Parts: sequence; C-alpha cells; structure tokens
Amino acid sequence: QQQVKQSPQSLIVQKGGISIINCAYENTAFDYFPWYQQFPGKGPALLIAIRPDVSEKKEGRFTISFNKSAKQFSLHIMDSQPGDSATYFCAASLGNTGNQFYFGTGTSLTVIP
Amino acid sequence: GAVVSQHPSWVICKSGTSVKIECRSLDFQATTMFWYRQFPKQSLMLMATSNEGSKATYEQGVEKDKFLINHASLTLSTLTVTSAHPEDSSFYICSAHDPGGRETQYFGPGTRLLVL
Repeated sequence: QQQVKQSPQSLIVQKGGISIINCAYENTAFDYFPWYQQFPGKGPALLIAIRPDVSEKKEGRFTISFNKSAKQFSLHIMDSQPGDSATYFCAASLGNTGNQFYFGTGTSLTVIP
Repeated sequence: GAVVSQHPSWVICKSGTSVKIECRSLDFQATTMFWYRQFPKQSLMLMATSNEGSKATYEQGVEKDKFLINHASLTLSTLTVTSAHPEDSSFYICSAHDPGGRETQYFGPGTRLLVL
C-alpha cells in the first residue's frame, strides 16, 4: 500500500514558470513532511520540510503548502530554472525520532529554457 | 550541514561474489541508519533499518541472509550483498539519523552496483 501518493509523474515547465508537485498521505499520525531533490546518480538532498502546525513554509524559491484536513501537501518552485531539472520526492514520517520515511513515487521535472 | 559518505561510489563485480558497501556519518553519531534501494526512474525502497549494537530490521520481502547489515559503531553501517546476481544490480543509498540535527535523516551519495 502506497502511504504517500505523488503526482504528476513528470512535469515540463518553461523557464521562469511555476512548478507544482502534489502529494497526498493516508496516515494522520505523520508529522514531518520533507521534499527531496535528486539528480541522476546522486543521493537525495533535502530541499525543504514542514510540520503540520503550519500551513505554508517558504525558503527562497521553494514553498511547501500544507493542507492538514485534506491530508495533502505540495511543493511550489517559483521562477523555475533549467538547473532545477531533477527528480523530486515527497516523503512523510512520524516525528523526528529517526523513524523511516515513506517516499512518494517521484516527479521528473524538466525546465526548458 | 551533516555529511554522510558511502564507499565505494560504484562497483562492478562478477556474479556469485560478495560486495560490501560502507555508510559513514562524518560529523555526528548516528544511532539509526537506513538502507534503501533504487531502480532507475523509481522511488527509494527501504530495505532495512539499522540500529547501532543491535540486529537490523528488514522490510518485508528483503532477504536478510542476502543483504547483511552491520551497524558496528555510531558512525558506520555496512551492507554486504552476498552471492550477488545481476538482478541485484541497483543504486543503494544509505541515510543516517542525527538526533541533534536540523534534518531527521541525512542521505549518502549512493553506490551504484553492477553485477555481471
């Protein structure tokens, strides 16, 4: 059973546009929601993360929107650049006690110049 | 930020041989480390959770005798793929939990394994 569902599978955005990736989760006990960026042949790197006590978090061009009642969260990449072309994974976990991450299926983002 | 290293970064081996992959937390002590497997264009699949000083907890469907995990110290966990076969070829990624860190898990750069 997929604990975290992610869409779309792939996304093509024009340079300067907004990239939006969505995730939905089932377990209401999840309380940590990170987004990871992964380039080919590299390990995932943390982009931004949010906890359920806030509805939005912004760091530079990256924003997480969180809807607790709908059990959904999304990543917005503003002013998308070709260098943002990568695979993005959302994840969910229980607290910060070193519990496992449940990853989404990934979104391949291509930003065209 | 905290750094997790993996060694080797890539390895090619013959079918039937064993391969050891190391995961090290370089500037923090990791009581818990995780091992993932990733196939091309797919998500990360958790293989096992490794706790220092105790046996690893394997996910359903992962053969513990095939994928041996040893977390002998607070900064080192190893994954040994025993009697590797071509279907074991994959990208293996570890992560480490730093209780005092900003992130809950720090990921290593991954190890590409190709079994011929």
